[in-house]
Amino acid sequence: GAGVSQSPRYKVTKRGQDVTLRCDPISSHATLYWYQQALGQGPEFLTYFNYEAQPDKSGLPSDRFSAERPEGSISTLTIQRTEQRDSAMYRCASSRLTGNTGELFFGEGSRLTVL
Amino acid sequence: SQQGEEDPQALSIQEGENATMNCSYKTSINNLQWYRQNSGRGLVHLILIRSNEREKHSGRLRVTLDTSKKSSSLLITASRAADTASYFCATDETGGFKTIFGAGTRLFVKA
Repeated sequence: GAGVSQSPRYKVTKRGQDVTLRCDPISSHATLYWYQQALGQGPEFLTYFNYEAQPDKSGLPSDRFSAERPEGSISTLTIQRTEQRDSAMYRCASSRLTGNTGELFFGEGSRLTVL
Repeated sequence: SQQGEEDPQALSIQEGENATMNCSYKTSINNLQWYRQNSGRGLVHLILIRSNEREKHSGRLRVTLDTSKKSSSLLITASRAADTASYFCATDETGGFKTIFGAGTRLFVKA
């Protein structure tokens, strides 16, 4: 697509429920990133993909968090058994380059609220 | 964890003045980038400077990089009210493949 698209834009869920967030990157982009951004803070790295490979998931806070990009395009971020501390903006970004990273193109984000 | 630290955390200036924001980082890098974020929106790329460059210009933006001090600065000249936003530096570590962001500087430009 023309830009990075994320859905849903807003998600309110109850503690203990599972949530899946979706990212549709720019179609020609090889690399896809997931970040978590708390209010007033910078984006915190969660994980990234080069096409369908996931070389680094060191930023995922716990094993309740997982991400997939099975066909090297659309990606999902799933949070199982959500907790209130998971409430944040989740941002997806894509980049044309692999390896030596360059400009990231961000989506508008998915705001998750866990009650 | 965040690689970069921006200074100041917040900055308030009058329209027409220059705004300078600084970023320090910890490890050796391939590139350093600056991004802008308007009020909770998505981040927008402003400029990228490579580790072998010392200064770069883009319109009213001037970025410097001092790899010996592991620091960078972003200068916005002749600021406008529309420049009000948060500004983040982001580093691409040498040998790594991820971009790490700092905590940001919140700039407020008064008309």
